Amino acid sequence: KQEVTQIPAALSVPEGENLVLNCSFTDSAIYNLQWFRQDPGKGLTSLLLIQSSQREQTSGRLNASLDKSSGRSTLYIAASQPGDSATYLCAVKAGKLIFGQGTTLQVKP
Amino acid sequence: NAGVTQTPKFQVLKTGQSMTLQCAQDMNHEYMSWYRQDPGMGLRLIHYSVGAGITDQGEVPNGYNVSRSTTEDFPLRLLSAAPSQTSVYFCASSLTGVQPQHFGDGTRLSIL
Repeated sequence: KQEVTQIPAALSVPEGENLVLNCSFTDSAIYNLQWFRQDPGKGLTSLLLIQSSQREQTSGRLNASLDKSSGRSTLYIAASQPGDSATYLCAVKAGKLIFGQGTTLQVKP
Repeated sequence: NAGVTQTPKFQVLKTGQSMTLQCAQDMNHEYMSWYRQDPGMGLRLIHYSVGAGITDQGEVPNGYNVSRSTTEDFPLRLLSAAPSQTSVYFCASSLTGVQPQHFGDGTRLSIL
């Protein structure tokens, strides 16, 4: 059974720091991996999707990498801003979409 | 461009009542799904549909029914509400099963 884990559960950093969020999964047979952002009381917003044949995707200050063989993905956020404060979830597509429990990020001014 | 629209945003029910959570998308997406989000459990798939007239069960389908008579709409029915169904429910859609999913803002449901 596919399991997705995100560590740490919460993270607090000062504004301007570069940071890395981690996602690990137990079964490497995936179609793709997707990173989402969730603001309090809101739905999920898709940030990046990496197909299983890709190694990374970039969008603005965000860069996501995928290493299927080790079952890991990272989301790199450059020059963090208070507006980046949110919960970040990763999800792997293997038949169905399986979510991690998220990392709640707080960026302090 | 409305995207995925869920109604209602909030609902309180009594145990045993039934209700339908509505979900509509205007992006002509074939793939639609329902999730529930609970503290400590993350998002779990309830039911999904790969196109009009086709539905299938997800991870936690018991107590819920769905139908997909049109491409745009994918309602979720609670047959006899139970306190364990207190949760935040999200509807999502995507062009295909491997394209990025677009989420609605959720329905916050409390069962007393």
